[in-house]
Amino acid sequence: GDSVTQMEGPVTLSEEAFLTINCTYTATGYPSLFWYVQYPGEGLQLLLKATKADDKGSNKGFEATYRKETTSFHLEKGSVQVSDSAVYFCALSEQSGGGADGLTFGKGTHLIIQP
Amino acid sequence: ETGVTQSPTHLIKTRGQQVTLRCSSQSGHNTVSWYQQALGQGPQFIFQYYREEENGRGNFPPRFSGLQFPNYSSELNVNALELDDSALYLCASSLKRGLGDTQYFGPGTRLTVL
Repeated sequence: GDSVTQMEGPVTLSEEAFLTINCTYTATGYPSLFWYVQYPGEGLQLLLKATKADDKGSNKGFEATYRKETTSFHLEKGSVQVSDSAVYFCALSEQSGGGADGLTFGKGTHLIIQP
Repeated sequence: ETGVTQSPTHLIKTRGQQVTLRCSSQSGHNTVSWYQQALGQGPQFIFQYYREEENGRGNFPPRFSGLQFPNYSSELNVNALELDDSALYLCASSLKRGLGDTQYFGPGTRLTVL
C-alpha cells in the first residue's frame, strides 16, 4: 500500500536558519503530494501541494518539488522564523478503485525555532 | 466563507460505549473525509463520503460508521469503544473534482476512552 516516510523530529533550528524536512513516498500510481502544518492546539492547514512530477509547490516562503525519479517531496525554507514552529506533515493522495482520495500521512516532524 | 467546524471539542467516554461526532463542511464542498490522529502520529484515513454515500474506506473495522446529510454535513459513529480509540478525530471537506483536490480540515474532536 501507499506510505509516506519523513524525517523524525524534533528538529531544532535558530531563527534565520535554512530548513529542509525530508519526505519520501511509496505509491502504486501517480499521486498528488501535500505538506500540511499543525500549530499547537489547532487542526491541519494546507501549506502547499503539487499534483504532477516536477511541479513546485510554494507558500509563505516554503517550497517543495515533486521528484518522481527519487519519489521525494522535500520541504525547504530559506530563513525560518519563530512563528514557523509547528508540526509538519507530508501526505499523498491516490484515488482508490472506488474513487476516494483519502490522504496518507507521514508521522510528522516537530520543528522548533529558537530566537 | 465559513470553514470546517466540528463538535464537540472534547469528549470522554468509557469502554463499550458508543459515540457520535459531528462535522459541518465548508460552504460549497460536497465531500467529507474523516481521520483518526493518535497522539504523536499522523492522521489515518477512516472513510470518505461523497454526495451522501461512502466513497472509500481505510483500514478501520465496521464499528466505525458514518453518514453524510443533504447539506453535506457529516457524522462519525463509533460503537463498542475501545481504549485505543482515544485520539483526535479530524474531519476534512473538499470539492470533488478529481485527484489532488485540497482537503480543508476542522479543528478536531479529542476523544478520551476510559
